[in-house]
Amino acid sequence: AQTVTQSQPEMSVQEAETVTLSCTYDTSENNYYLFWYKQPPSRQMILVIRQEAYKQQNATENRFSVNFQKAAKSFSLKISDSQLGDTAMYFCAFMNTGNQFYFGTGTSLTVIP
Amino acid sequence: GAGVSQSPSNKVTEKGKDVELRCDPISGHTALYWYRQSLGQGLEFLIYFQGNSAPDKSGLPSDRFSAERTGGSVSTLTIQRTQQEDSAVYLCASSLVGLARSSGANVLTFGAGSRLTVL
Repeated sequence: AQTVTQSQPEMSVQEAETVTLSCTYDTSENNYYLFWYKQPPSRQMILVIRQEAYKQQNATENRFSVNFQKAAKSFSLKISDSQLGDTAMYFCAFMNTGNQFYFGTGTSLTVIP
Repeated sequence: GAGVSQSPSNKVTEKGKDVELRCDPISGHTALYWYRQSLGQGLEFLIYFQGNSAPDKSGLPSDRFSAERTGGSVSTLTIQRTQQEDSAVYLCASSLVGLARSSGANVLTFGAGSRLTVL
C-alpha cells in the first residue's frame, strides 16, 4: 500500500522569505506521479505543481519548485518570495499506476506580513 | 463544463435522514473521485469511477454510503440514515486518464465541495 507522510502540521514564514514543506512517501512502484495541492480557506483545492517519477529534473512553476529524491522517496515543496496569498493548507499527493491518489495529512502554512 | 461543479455547497440535515450530493465533472474526464475531509483533517478516499469499469468502492466507510455515476458523467453520493460523524466536507474530483506525457492528463481537478452538517 502507498502512504504519504507530511511531518509538519503547521509552518509559518515571513513574507518574501523562502519556506520548504516536507513530504515522504512509500511505494514499491517505479512509475508514478507526485503532486502538491493548495487548499486556501475558500476550501477549493488547487494544483500547485506536478512531478513525474520518470523525470529526474525537478519541476518548477514560477515561485514553486520541488526537490524530488526518488531513492529517498522524498518530495519537498519550496516556495520562494512567499506572499500573503500563499497562506493555505498544502497537501502532498501520490498517484499510482492504477490512477489511485493518496494524500498526506497536510501542512498548514501561514505567511506573516 | 469549465470546472467540477458540486451541489449543494452546504447541507444541514437531521440525524437519520438520507442525503444526496451531486458532482458534475469536467466534460471528457473519464475518472471521478469522491473524498471526505473532516474538519482540519486530510482527504479520506471514498470511491473512484473510471470509464465503464467497476468502481473502486474500497474507501466507503459503511453500507450507508453509496455512489453511482450515470452515463459516465454526473455522479451522486448518497448517505443513508446520516449520523453526526458523517459531518464533513465531501470533495469530488475528476481527471483525464491518459498517456504519461499527455498534457493535463492524470491531474485531479477538484470541485468546491459540499459541506454536510448532521444535527
